Amino acid sequence: GENVEQHPSTLSVQEGDSAVIKCTYSDSASNYFPWYKQELGKRPQLIIDIRSNVGEKKDQRIAVTLNKTAKHFSLHITETQPEDSAVYFCAATLLNTDKLIFGTGTRLQVFP
Amino acid sequence: DVKVTQSSRYLVKRTGEKVFLECVQDMDHENMFWYRQDPGLGLRLIYFSYDVKMKEKGDIPEGYSVSREKKERFSLILESASTNQTSMYLCASSSTGTGGQPQHFGDGTRLSIL
Repeated sequence: GENVEQHPSTLSVQEGDSAVIKCTYSDSASNYFPWYKQELGKRPQLIIDIRSNVGEKKDQRIAVTLNKTAKHFSLHITETQPEDSAVYFCAATLLNTDKLIFGTGTRLQVFP
Repeated sequence: DVKVTQSSRYLVKRTGEKVFLECVQDMDHENMFWYRQDPGLGLRLIYFSYDVKMKEKGDIPEGYSVSREKKERFSLILESASTNQTSMYLCASSSTGTGGQPQHFGDGTRLSIL
């Protein structure tokens, strides 16, 4: 079945630096890849997503890239700020299903 | 804005009790999900419902059952609670559509089984 691996499990950066989180998936039929941010004690919230017919998508300081051949996708956060500190989850869905398989999460800490 | 509401933020129950976790969504979504979140393990799917009275097992269904009698409500049932079911439980909903749809989460229920 589908498996999603996420790295690193923890990431510490200085405010203003960039942060990159990487995920790989196993099922080449996966076609939708959302990223969620979960602040401490709060619900996971969708921050950006990408579909398999697109290679890159940007939204202000965050971007996601997808390499279908290598079956990996990455979240890029530029000019990090303390409020970016959270746990980030990647996910992949299967073709013709509405289920998501989640990565194990990355705890990002941004130090002022 | 999509609203997914879970009935309790915190719940403490005893071993062997039958436990009900309730979730309601207000966006007329076809799909509803129950996840379990544990440190280092991410979100694991317990059960999935794609229509009223329709359900599908997820990755870790053992010890759980679900009920979906109305489109907006999805209940998770722990038939006989055990200590290894102490966890954070998250409910989510999504619409159907080709190519995948984002899921919207509730605030979670932190369940402790003593």
